Amino acid sequence: AQKVTQAQTEISVVEKEDVTLDCVYETRDTTYYLFWYKQPPSGELVFLIRRNSFDEQNEISGRYSWNFQKSTSSFNFTITASQVVDSAVYFCALSPFRGKLIFGQGTTLQVKP
Amino acid sequence: DTGVSQDPRHKITKRGQNVTFRCDPISEHNRLYWYRQTLGQGPEFLTYFQNEAQLEKSRLLSDRFSAERPKGSFSTLEIQRTEQGDSAMYLCASSFGTGGTDTQYFGPGTRLTVL
Repeated sequence: AQKVTQAQTEISVVEKEDVTLDCVYETRDTTYYLFWYKQPPSGELVFLIRRNSFDEQNEISGRYSWNFQKSTSSFNFTITASQVVDSAVYFCALSPFRGKLIFGQGTTLQVKP
Repeated sequence: DTGVSQDPRHKITKRGQNVTFRCDPISEHNRLYWYRQTLGQGPEFLTYFQNEAQLEKSRLLSDRFSAERPKGSFSTLEIQRTEQGDSAMYLCASSFGTGGTDTQYFGPGTRLTVL
């Protein structure tokens, strides 16, 4: 079975703190893709990053960074120096080769000023 | 670029009524997906089209649900004889793909409330 687990339901931090959102996935496929999406209060899902199963290089984009570890089936997301505008629900998702997205339950991040 | 659009944004209906939602994908995107999201949960896959062909349907898609994409452009999702359990946000996504997995871009969703 394919599954994504985001064990942190809610996280609250104060602005400028660093925060890491955890994502653990299960799949028997050898080729798969992992994604992170952001869902702000407005409701629209915003694409953040996509990674394929053969690329374990970590990625940094501004204040965002992603750590993909195949050995532990994890794809964690770190926001450095968080800002109030980062407050949203963040979803990790798994996709088999050419297919649907399987989402985790999401982590609600609240960044307080 | 115009993003994915969905209409209506909100729909309130009485139990037993039929409802239809429309999704317009990003221009030239050949793949179109429907998802359902209930409060506090991640989106759940419903169905997927490549051009006009419906290639996959979830077990969540009961006989009361039907989706079409007649000309490979916009898509409609119809729910017949709505039930209170159908209350959810219905999300549409589109992508351009020729082979493997591609990035799906989501619309704003249609929030359905069944009274």
